[in-house]
Amino acid sequence: QVQLVQSGAEVKKPGASVKVSCKASGYTFTGYYMHWVRQAPGQGLEWMGWINPNSGGTNYAQKFQGRVTMTRDTSISTAYMELSRLRSDDTAVYYCAREVAEKLELWFDPWGQGTLVTVSS
Amino acid sequence: EIVLTQSPGTLSLSPGERATLSCRASQSVSSSYLAWYQQKPGQAPRLLIYGASSRATGIPDRFSGSGSGTDFTLTISRLEPEDFAVYYCQQYGSSSWTFGQGTKVEIK
Repeated sequence: QVQLVQSGAEVKKPGASVKVSCKASGYTFTGYYMHWVRQAPGQGLEWMGWINPNSGGTNYAQKFQGRVTMTRDTSISTAYMELSRLRSDDTAVYYCAREVAEKLELWFDPWGQGTLVTVSS
Repeated sequence: EIVLTQSPGTLSLSPGERATLSCRASQSVSSSYLAWYQQKPGQAPRLLIYGASSRATGIPDRFSGSGSGTDFTLTISRLEPEDFAVYYCQQYGSSSWTFGQGTKVEIK
């Protein structure tokens, strides 16, 4: 079955960087865009951007431009999201999600299980 | 950026009752790009509805979506105990994606 498995929880100090991985299985990795979405504690969902695993092309939400880098390794069907210059308000659960495009419709399915990133001194 | 506003923030209902959740966009949204997700505590969001009104695979028919333009609705015809959760609408437009702030459906 289609599955996204993310790396484990991280604790980082302010100013550091974090890199979260998302391993895909059950489908052709290069055939679907991968998105990253975060959720601060008790808050809603915030879209961060996407990567095209086929070309490596990216599109980042304006809020994260200059701080986020999305990459992929097609040999192991894994996408990565790196966030730099971490602040305390970057503490959140980070999700990867596959974009599905069918009949001109778009949606996210499935989602990874989430990775908690805690930023604390 | 298109802003999605969900209402109410919290819906207190009993099992068996009907739930009506609203998602209003700050400008017109293509129905093809409007989706709804369910999230339970400690879990990732799960796709319920895509294309504003199409149920995802395995989603019970008590869930239905409707609407167009700037006003969209998710209806749960008869609440089951497992339906108490937070629901988010999502849209794509102008090369970016946005989510509503969520509606919590809680047991009354």
